[in-house]
Amino acid sequence: EAQVTQNPRYLITVTGKKLTVTCSQNMNHEYMSWYRQDPGLGLRQIYYSMNVEVTDKGDVPEGYKVSRKEKRNFPLILESPSPNQTSLYFCASTFIPGTGDPYNEQFFGPGTRLTVL
Amino acid sequence: DAKTTQPPSMDCAEGRAANLPCNHSTISGNEYVYWYRQIHSQGPQYIIHGLKNNETNEMASLIITEDRKSSTLILPHATLRDTAVYYCIVRVPLIYNQGGKLIFGQGTELSVKP
Repeated sequence: EAQVTQNPRYLITVTGKKLTVTCSQNMNHEYMSWYRQDPGLGLRQIYYSMNVEVTDKGDVPEGYKVSRKEKRNFPLILESPSPNQTSLYFCASTFIPGTGDPYNEQFFGPGTRLTVL
Repeated sequence: DAKTTQPPSMDCAEGRAANLPCNHSTISGNEYVYWYRQIHSQGPQYIIHGLKNNETNEMASLIITEDRKSSTLILPHATLRDTAVYYCIVRVPLIYNQGGKLIFGQGTELSVKP
């Protein structure tokens, strides 16, 4: 089954304790992205990656790191989490079409609810 | 990316058609209209997209006005499982936009009632 998986789904941690949220897709997609969703602010892009070893900042990258060593995985790293990073996080992926209808539907993971105390 | 305006909420009776409007008066020629929905904090789900012509798939129909300044998403026979927040997004496709981000506004909260 084609899917994007995230782990963990729920996490409660304390300020300053490094954590990693994993994201994996089995569709051989080049493009992957991380969003956070907060009440009243909608979904905002944190980082994205156009392919292996190619990453770039989105709108709210402060306090986050990413890596793309393999095509299927795109982990989100919080080196020193703070309470303002309490949020619902989504990973998304899609292919980058070369020709034809360039609509590229994005597939989203189930979400990771993070609480930083 | 063009700004979109959607009503904050709508109700629909189960089994009836749900018509969700979206205004995008500043849309430019190479921008597509995409619809996604989010069911109760799950990951957003793609529904349909279009450029100029009306489109239909197994989930919904998309009607785009001739001047492309507005569109309507139609769920032909709404069920309780269609209760969700529906987002209308206007943007250029990923191959023209390196960031690839989808800008989700506030969307329309659709409640399908028995």
